[in-house]
Amino acid sequence: DIQMTQSPSSLSASVGDRVTITCRASQSISRYLNWYQRKPGKAPKVLIYAASSLQSGVPSRFSGSGSGTDFTLTISSLQPEDFATYYCQQSYSTPYTFGQGTKLEIK
Amino acid sequence: EVQLVESGGGLVQPGGSLRLSCAASGVTVSSNYMSWVRQAPGKGLEWVSIIYSGGSTDYADSVKGRFTISRDSSKNTLYLQMSSLRAEDTAVYYCARHSSGWDLAFDYWGQGTLVTVSS
Repeated sequence: DIQMTQSPSSLSASVGDRVTITCRASQSISRYLNWYQRKPGKAPKVLIYAASSLQSGVPSRFSGSGSGTDFTLTISSLQPEDFATYYCQQSYSTPYTFGQGTKLEIK
Repeated sequence: EVQLVESGGGLVQPGGSLRLSCAASGVTVSSNYMSWVRQAPGKGLEWVSIIYSGGSTDYADSVKGRFTISRDSSKNTLYLQMSSLRAEDTAVYYCARHSSGWDLAFDYWGQGTLVTVSS
């Protein structure tokens, strides 16, 4: 199985900050990497697919980069509605695996 | 508009069975790759099973031999038959559609249904 490791596991930041979350795969997954946002009581929402493609309707302050084993999610200027938990997920091969999550909290 | 609505969750004793349903609208279940994903209390997201548009299936090792994914085209509904349930199967179960692109991201999710395995 491909292991996905996210860092940090939690992060405190302020509105307007630039934030970066990293995700590392245990083997090369090309660009089969997706990022999700999860708010309490709601289903996950895809933000970035194929490592760097912005899902329709997602604000442009979200961006993704990387290929192979190392990936990043960047939020250029945090907004109040961005405080949530973020997950990376590989869709290279089954079992499709997720990172453990990064909880983004208000400082 | 795509909508996925899960049902069938509840309290079940260890060793028991339960069938989850995911009724779809705005998307044809049989024409898409569809998965079940779960989240146990205080834990992260875990992929459970997939059914491909061609009908083949795959499972996480943790549920292989105990869970069966299926679909009913006439009802446009996805199912997850769960048997020999264990305490560690306690989770919110989501159905999700895979993107039709090569990326296979989960682009639509249901709201989830809670399964509690306890005596």
